[in-house]
Amino acid sequence: QVQLQESGPGLVKPSETLSLTCTVSGSSINSHYFWGWIRQPPGKGLEWIASVYHSGSTNYNPSLKSRVTISVDTSRNQFSLRLTSLTAADTAVYYCATSSPGWFDSWGQGTLVTVSS
Amino acid sequence: EIVLTQSPGTLSVSPGERATLSCRASQSINSYYLAWYQQKPGQAPRLLIYGASNRATGIPDRFSGSGSGTDFTLTINRLEPEDFVVYYCQQYGSSRWTFGQGTKVEI
Repeated sequence: QVQLQESGPGLVKPSETLSLTCTVSGSSINSHYFWGWIRQPPGKGLEWIASVYHSGSTNYNPSLKSRVTISVDTSRNQFSLRLTSLTAADTAVYYCATSSPGWFDSWGQGTLVTVSS
Repeated sequence: EIVLTQSPGTLSVSPGERATLSCRASQSINSYYLAWYQQKPGQAPRLLIYGASNRATGIPDRFSGSGSGTDFTLTINRLEPEDFVVYYCQQYGSSRWTFGQGTKVEI
């Protein structure tokens, strides 16, 4: 069964760039439809951020597209998220997940990212 | 952009009863790409239903999904204490994923 683990900084300053990595185990990153990032601000609902296919094809939430980059590293069985120009509104738990083909069937445990000076 | 509206925001029911949760889409969607998730406090969401009516692996048969077009329903029969948490619907279309705002099921 596929397992996912997010890694990255827990605290980032406003205006800086967030970089998160999701490490996939138990399955090849080439064997699933899409790999995605979803976030959840404290006490609020879920927001899809971006998804990437193992070929490198990407899809972005239009509301975040100008600030987001998602990429995949098949050699390391990882995929990553980069989010620029952070504000307090980006404070959230960030989840990585796999989508097969249109629903997210496996999730990481999530990592809390706080944007604060 | 397709917007999913879940109702009610909070549903008060008693253990052993049935809960009926609604998810309405702003335009017709392919039911194959409609899913439901359960989220317990401090945990990642868990896939319950995919394709509008198919239970995910390991999901008890007291959970069922139905609907088509713009109106979808998650039904939870014989509510157990661990079912009193938050539920989200989600759709995929035009290379985008969107979630509803969630329904909290409380005692």
